[in-house]
Amino acid sequence: ETGVTQSPTHLIKTRGQQVTLRCSSQSGHNTVSWYQQALGQGPQFIFQYYREEENGRGNFPPRFSGLQFPNYSSELNVNALELDDSALYLCASSPKDLGETQYFGPGTRLLVL
Amino acid sequence: AQSVAQPEDQVNVAEGNPLTVKCTYSVSGNPYLFWYVQYPNRGLQFLLKYITGDNLVKGSYGFEAEFNKSQTSFHLKKPSALVSDSALYFCAVRDVYRDDKIIFGKGTRLHILP
Repeated sequence: ETGVTQSPTHLIKTRGQQVTLRCSSQSGHNTVSWYQQALGQGPQFIFQYYREEENGRGNFPPRFSGLQFPNYSSELNVNALELDDSALYLCASSPKDLGETQYFGPGTRLLVL
Repeated sequence: AQSVAQPEDQVNVAEGNPLTVKCTYSVSGNPYLFWYVQYPNRGLQFLLKYITGDNLVKGSYGFEAEFNKSQTSFHLKKPSALVSDSALYFCAVRDVYRDDKIIFGKGTRLHILP
């Protein structure tokens, strides 16, 4: 098991609501990346945070936003939830060095009704 | 643009036989290649990576992968499959020269038959 933790493990929301997912990075890791994994698909990159700033973003709309805190933990916020937002949300942490491995947490499964 | 392709949705192998899960990649610059495994209702677990050096990379749980630059491939292999190896396997490339994201293939489901 990695040292990356995520909460909650499962979540059910209705369309139009807002959700906040949380991630604690592995000790010594200053970079957190978030991914969305729809059923039957590979994970898709949402964004990355390094030293509390967004460091790269995938093809996701602005209603997907994030934060990183001084202890390197991170939040993913999704506003105006849509049915297609139902997925497994994964965070991964790594040191900010080229080639360093990203280690994934267990994920949060979000169901939007 | 960086990309990876996993041509097989599913691979079936008898227990004790060698297994191969295929992956090809397209990158600009030197490739940073990874294999991850996902068990049901779990996150992704790191298996191995290729950054530079020896083309044969050894990883966790007896897995290895062979980097072939001329064929732009990074196939995952294991000499003798176990039933517990049954899982979903993802090949990935890391875009270290741009936004550091990992680009995943669509995954290959590996079934090891007892």
